[in-house]
Amino acid sequence: DGGITQSPKYLFRKEGQNVTLSCEQNLNHDAMYWYRQDPGQGLRLIYYSQIVNDFQKGDIAEGYSVSREKKESFPLTVTSAQKNPTAFYLCASSPRTGRVADTQYFGPGTRLTVL
Amino acid sequence: QQPVQSPQAVILREGEDAVINCSSSKALYSVHWYRQKHGEAPVFLMILLKGGEQKGHEKISASFNEKKQQSSLYLTASQLSYSGTYFCGTERNYGGSQGNLIFGKGTKLSVKP
Repeated sequence: DGGITQSPKYLFRKEGQNVTLSCEQNLNHDAMYWYRQDPGQGLRLIYYSQIVNDFQKGDIAEGYSVSREKKESFPLTVTSAQKNPTAFYLCASSPRTGRVADTQYFGPGTRLTVL
Repeated sequence: QQPVQSPQAVILREGEDAVINCSSSKALYSVHWYRQKHGEAPVFLMILLKGGEQKGHEKISASFNEKKQQSSLYLTASQLSYSGTYFCGTERNYGGSQGNLIFGKGTKLSVKP
């Protein structure tokens, strides 16, 4: 089955530690995205990548880093510089057909809690 | 630039209708609607493109008024399964962000038996 996987579903870390969230897709999509979701805030874009080896900052990139070495993988690192890292993190992908914005397909999310 | 959704929350009885609005201060090229159940991933409902079209998905339909820079989602004869938070996403069309979406804060819909 094609889809997007994120692991783990729940993650606990101590304050001051970096943590990497996994996102893998087998949909052969060109574009991938990371969003952060907080209660009452909707989805806020952290980083996005339209092609391998290239990525761009979104609206709230400070304290986060990403890499896109393979088309199917787009890991997100939450660094110790992120002031309030506890949140629900969603990864998404889209085919980027070149038309208007394509449908985005979301993974199941990772709930990160920093203690 | 974030679209504004209204209402923030709505409670319905099964079989009742609801309308959720999504307004933007910027020109709209497309509007995307998603539904998210608690603790789950958002699921795509429909996309509306520039041109004022109306689309439907079972008993859920939507309209897009580009002059008013607004989209509305219509849920008719609501079912318990319609409960969740509905998000609209509007397409960014500035700088290098073409094709990316910016989402509203969501409308929480609760359908009671």
